[in-house]
Amino acid sequence: DIQMTQSPSSLSASVGDRVTITCRASQSIAGYLNWYQQKPGKTPNLLIFSTTILQSGVPSRFSGSGSGTDFTLTISSLQPEDFATYYCQQSYNTPRTFGQGTKVEIK
Amino acid sequence: QVQLVQSGAEVKKPGASLKVSCKTSKYTFTDYYIHWVRQAPGQGLEWMGWVNPNSGGTNYAQKFQGRVTMTSDTSITTAYMELSRLRSDDMAVYYCSREALAFDYWGQGTLVTVSS
Repeated sequence: DIQMTQSPSSLSASVGDRVTITCRASQSIAGYLNWYQQKPGKTPNLLIFSTTILQSGVPSRFSGSGSGTDFTLTISSLQPEDFATYYCQQSYNTPRTFGQGTKVEIK
Repeated sequence: QVQLVQSGAEVKKPGASLKVSCKTSKYTFTDYYIHWVRQAPGQGLEWMGWVNPNSGGTNYAQKFQGRVTMTSDTSITTAYMELSRLRSDDMAVYYCSREALAFDYWGQGTLVTVSS
C-alpha cells in the first residue's frame, strides 16, 4: 500500500497569511494526487485533483504542485472560511490512501 | 446537480451487521465507481473499497476483507455497503463517493453507533 504523509499535522496562521501543506507518498504516484478540505461536521470537499487542477468553484487562492512523491497545497492568502482540515489522497492505485490530515487553525 | 443521498443514522449492537445505501441521481450511474470511506470520531479518512456499478466488480481494503460487501443496483442507481460482525471501533461516519479523477461528489454521511 502507498503511504501518504502530510506535514505539518497542524498549523496556526492568520488571515492573509500564505500557507503551505506538504504531502509525501511512499512511492511515486506520478501526478495522481488530490486535495480535500473538511470543516467540522461536514463532508470532505474536493479542492484540487491531478496535482494541479482546481475543482470547479474552488477559489484561485488554492493551488497545488509537485510530482513523483512530493506534493504541495498552497493557500496564497488565508481567508476566515479556510480554517479547516486538509487531506491529500492518492488515486494512483488501489487501495486509495489518504494522508492523516493537516488542521489549519486561527492564530 | 449530481447527488448522492445516504440512508440515515444507525445504532447497532456489537456483532450485528450494517447496510448503508447511497442513492445517486443526475448522472449516468454506470459511468463511475462508487467508493466507501469512513471517519471515526476525531480521526482521519479511511478508504474501505469500491464497487463498479457497470460490472458489479469490487475491490476492498485488506482490513475489511471478509467483513464488507459492496453492491449496486443499476435499476435504482443505488450503491450499498454492508459491514458484518460490527465492533466498537467500527463506530464512524460512513461516506459514499463518486470517483471521476478524484472523489468529486460525496454523500452526506451516515453516522453509525456501535453500542451494547
